[in-house]
Amino acid sequence: GAVVSQHPSRVICKSGTSVKIECRSLDFQATTMFWYRQFPKQSLMLMATSNEGSKATYEQGVEKDKFLINHASLTLSTLTVTSAHPEDSSFYICSARVAGVRGNEQFFGPGTRLTVL
Amino acid sequence: QKEVEQDPGPLSVPEGAIVSLNCTYSNSAFQYFMWYRQYSRKGPELLMYTYSSGNKEDGRFTAQVDKSSKYISLFIRDSQPSDSATYLCAFLEWGGSEKLVFGKGTKLTVNP
Repeated sequence: GAVVSQHPSRVICKSGTSVKIECRSLDFQATTMFWYRQFPKQSLMLMATSNEGSKATYEQGVEKDKFLINHASLTLSTLTVTSAHPEDSSFYICSARVAGVRGNEQFFGPGTRLTVL
Repeated sequence: QKEVEQDPGPLSVPEGAIVSLNCTYSNSAFQYFMWYRQYSRKGPELLMYTYSSGNKEDGRFTAQVDKSSKYISLFIRDSQPSDSATYLCAFLEWGGSEKLVFGKGTKLTVNP
């Protein structure tokens, strides 16, 4: 199956710093990638949809200036959490879509656990 | 009314038991129905996918969809300790946004 990687898997940072998370599709090209956030005992919530070469589409309530998304190539999307605060601590998961396969199946990365002190 | 309702459990069963996991939904535009399995600290992986009412079987797993009642189920036969994970139902609109809408997930533990 298609493999999606994320880096780093875990990051701890001080409040006010910025953190960059990378999402890569390893063995396929993904025109669309998605970024989700998952709080403990909560469902995955879509933050934004990222299409290669264009601006990301953010879900309602997600600050686009705080969560910067760049999808510069067909295999790489990055999420930068700017000026992170403790309330941004969460599990961030990306997925990549393979068009035409099993209802446009999304393959998920292993997630990045962000802890902001 | 929430768009998707899923009992978070936790659910604990002995090895070999039949497990039944359920979700209800309110959005009639949902036409793709999925079940994902998520192990602790990992991303979800797609288990089952269907777009029609009725049953779909894959090994020990059976996905059931009842569109009239807006109710989907996942059955696991002969459950194994390796099935211990959180199971999330997910929905996608037909021809609409690509946005997956997830349930909260049900945490399942299968005891040896």
